[in-house]
Amino acid sequence: DTGVSQDPRHKITKRGQNVTFRCDPISEHNRLYWYRQTLGQGPEFLTYFQNEAQLEKSRLLSDRFSAERPKGSFSTLEIQRTEQGDSAMYLCASSQDRGYNEQFFGPGTRLTVL
Amino acid sequence: AQTVTQSQPEMSVQEAETVTLSCTYDTSENNYYLFWYKQPPSRQMILVIRQEAYKQQNATENRFSVNFQKAAKSFSLKISDSQLGDTAMYFCAFLYNFNKFYFGSGTKLNVKP
Repeated sequence: DTGVSQDPRHKITKRGQNVTFRCDPISEHNRLYWYRQTLGQGPEFLTYFQNEAQLEKSRLLSDRFSAERPKGSFSTLEIQRTEQGDSAMYLCASSQDRGYNEQFFGPGTRLTVL
Repeated sequence: AQTVTQSQPEMSVQEAETVTLSCTYDTSENNYYLFWYKQPPSRQMILVIRQEAYKQQNATENRFSVNFQKAAKSFSLKISDSQLGDTAMYFCAFLYNFNKFYFGSGTKLNVKP
């Protein structure tokens, strides 16, 4: 296990289409986070899971966004009816549930909505 | 609400010289952690250094050190003997309650040969 992986790395879609991203965390990590990073900005928190439970959601996560982590391992982030404003890098991170909780980040999925 | 401010959008430094990146934050919390993350071009974010707010001693990791001023809510990163591989975006981040990070907007550091 070499780290957090995300798939796809790049996604180009047309406005109004649905897209789904996948994140595979480090295997022993029970916490998983999603962030969104727009150009020239730092990552913004979207949501996080402890095991399969979604514990917190940002107000940035509109009704068009849904995240799941059904078995407490990988997670998916779906965006329905994409808008141009959804264009961003979507980052996933994972951590253990102890200590200072260092988060390890994946390479991100860059979404472009045309 | 927690906010993190990085007032230097971009900085340059000559190879082998020292550079300091600034970060200020605002919080009413007393126990928290502060981090510097590095994001090289087209590569993932990696942790550079962290500081526990309850520790007065400034953290050091090889060529990287911080100047943590809790009362002033300041957390700067000093990179000594800059190397070409240090070229990256640097993000200051605040963590409390062991869940989500609050990130600054980043400083783009360019190390020149």
